[in-house]
Amino acid sequence: NAGVTQTPKFQVLKTGQSMTLQCAQDMNHEYMSWYRQDPGMGLRLIHYSVGAGITDQGEVPNGYNVSRSTTEDFPLRLLSAAPSQTSVYFCASSYRVNSGNTIYFGEGSWLTVV
Amino acid sequence: DAKTTQPNSMESNEEEPVHLPCNHSTISGTDYIHWYRQLPSQGPEYVIHGLTSNVNNRMASLAIAEDRKSSTLILHRATLRDAAVYYCILRDLYSGAGSYQLTFGKGTKLSVIP
Repeated sequence: NAGVTQTPKFQVLKTGQSMTLQCAQDMNHEYMSWYRQDPGMGLRLIHYSVGAGITDQGEVPNGYNVSRSTTEDFPLRLLSAAPSQTSVYFCASSYRVNSGNTIYFGEGSWLTVV
Repeated sequence: DAKTTQPNSMESNEEEPVHLPCNHSTISGTDYIHWYRQLPSQGPEYVIHGLTSNVNNRMASLAIAEDRKSSTLILHRATLRDAAVYYCILRDLYSGAGSYQLTFGKGTKLSVIP
């Protein structure tokens, strides 16, 4: 059981470039989300999805797009990378969105924008 | 989600018990109390959760105050591997737009002294 898989683990981008962070889970989870974590800070929610075809914005959505065409995949797109998007990105999933379900996190993707 | 308050940092000697406090004075009757921890350079991982009664699992114990306005995560014998940031978060029992946005905050950084 692979859990939540994120790729790539490390990436360096130039300002203005676009890229996609991939996230896949093999647990048939309905809820998936993306967080970013800046040095010394907690996690901030970027976007989330409660099922295939359904996405919504979190706390810090600007500069990012998401889609959920399948239950398994939830890619995060950076449209035009900016140095302010240098961060560690975590994808997370859980079976349902409500309280009793454990949230599983990926190992993180370290992104540097120069 | 209701807010939680945790100390920024705590220290413990190896093999001694650790009590990590969390205040959540605005908790609602349908909020579960969850604890996650994040080891260095890793994604957060689930520790324990509860609603009203104290809970135990192989990793830790969760003691919930009678009025539910505070809780304490108890690590019975701290090891070096327990050095991490511990997050206390609240999740509503019922699915709804408010429960989708999980707020992690900055957590408590636990240092374990050999």
